[in-house]
Amino acid sequence: DGGITQSPKYLFRKEGQNVTLSCEQNLNHDAMYWYRQDPGQGLRLIYYSQIVNDFQKGDIAEGYSVSREKKESFPLTVTSAQKNPTAFYLCASSPPEGARHGSNQPQHFGDGTRLSIL
Amino acid sequence: AQKVTQAQTEISVVEKEDVTLDCVYETRDTTYYLFWYKQPPSGELVFLIRRNSFDEQNEISGRYSWNFQKSTSSFNFTITASQVVDSAVYFCALIRMDSNYQLIWGAGTKLIIKP
Repeated sequence: DGGITQSPKYLFRKEGQNVTLSCEQNLNHDAMYWYRQDPGQGLRLIYYSQIVNDFQKGDIAEGYSVSREKKESFPLTVTSAQKNPTAFYLCASSPPEGARHGSNQPQHFGDGTRLSIL
Repeated sequence: AQKVTQAQTEISVVEKEDVTLDCVYETRDTTYYLFWYKQPPSGELVFLIRRNSFDEQNEISGRYSWNFQKSTSSFNFTITASQVVDSAVYFCALIRMDSNYQLIWGAGTKLIIKP
């Protein structure tokens, strides 16, 4: 079945360490997104990519980096510069043109990765 | 400014009660789309519904119904005869037509259904 796979499900980071969260999709979607969710809060956009080899900062990009070398993959690196990385991270993808041309669901989501500090 | 407000942080009801989750939005766009997603305790986001701004018909899907009113900029969600499995966080979202169709998210409403 087509979908979005995030791994690992749980991740622990030591102080000063960079960690990378994986996101893979086989939906043939052009756009991919990374969100951060803190307890009791909504989703905040970290980075998004509309096409391979291109990506833009979202609302809270500081301390994070991404790459988009393949259409299927959009890994997120949480760097040591991110001082408060403990959160739930969600990856999403969307078909071309979003909802404008009849796509019912604007974004499809993975199951998320919970990142904690050791 | 474009914004989605879900004023109810948490709602707790007893099973079989009806419950309404409020969503108020602000947008400059004349054409826009609104959505509801469900996030169960396991964390994944489950898509529930899309509503176009030019279609104000209410929608019903089983025990779920949605009331879209442009005059009050609201897109409320009602669960009839609630069940314990409905316990989740529910998010309302608005699509940004001017910015690559990014979603603007409400803060979510945590719904607790007690047996």
